[in-house]
Amino acid sequence: AQSVTQLGSHVSVSEGALVLLRCNYSSSVPPYLFWYVQYPNQGLQLLLKYTSAATLVKGINGFEAEFKKSETSFHLTKPSAHMSDAAEYFCAVTKTSYDKVIFGPGTSLSVIP
Amino acid sequence: EPEVTQTPSHQVTQMGQEVILRCVPISNHLYFYWYRQILGQKVEFLVSFYNNEISEKSEIFDDQFSVERPDGSNFTLKIRSTKLEDSAMYFCASTGTGNSGELFFGEGSRLTVL
Repeated sequence: AQSVTQLGSHVSVSEGALVLLRCNYSSSVPPYLFWYVQYPNQGLQLLLKYTSAATLVKGINGFEAEFKKSETSFHLTKPSAHMSDAAEYFCAVTKTSYDKVIFGPGTSLSVIP
Repeated sequence: EPEVTQTPSHQVTQMGQEVILRCVPISNHLYFYWYRQILGQKVEFLVSFYNNEISEKSEIFDDQFSVERPDGSNFTLKIRSTKLEDSAMYFCASTGTGNSGELFFGEGSRLTVL
């Protein structure tokens, strides 16, 4: 069965600082991995996805994530945080194109001016 | 850009009442899902639906829940007799061929059970 853990339910960074949100997954088969962002009172928006092509995946808003099979990790990074990045971030995994997507517990990102 | 639409955006109901949440998935998608998110908690899978039948359901999706695709465009979630603990945001999602598992989500329907 798939599962996702996200280390740190809440992360605070200063504006302009590096953002690092951690995600580790468990999967019995090569997974598809995703990062979704949720702004307050809104739905889930895809930031980026890994589908077994390049291990370094670039997404929207300057975010990127690196798939490391040996570490079963898919950490999300952004070189320089912006105030508008404050949101809830969810790492997610699925085993096929159409199977259910399992979400991690989420990390709330705060950006301090 | 095609999007998933959900109605109502917010519904308040009394405990024990029936609720129907509606979703219009992206038109060429064939796989449909409902998720829920209790306030401040994780996004939980409820049910997946393909070819007019349930593909998979979670433990949360008990006999009080049902889904239907009544007319080829709408995809509905019915809660037969709501409980206080059903209060949550309910998200509909869809996906299709070539999306590599990416789910396209609606904005959600907030259900408040009093």
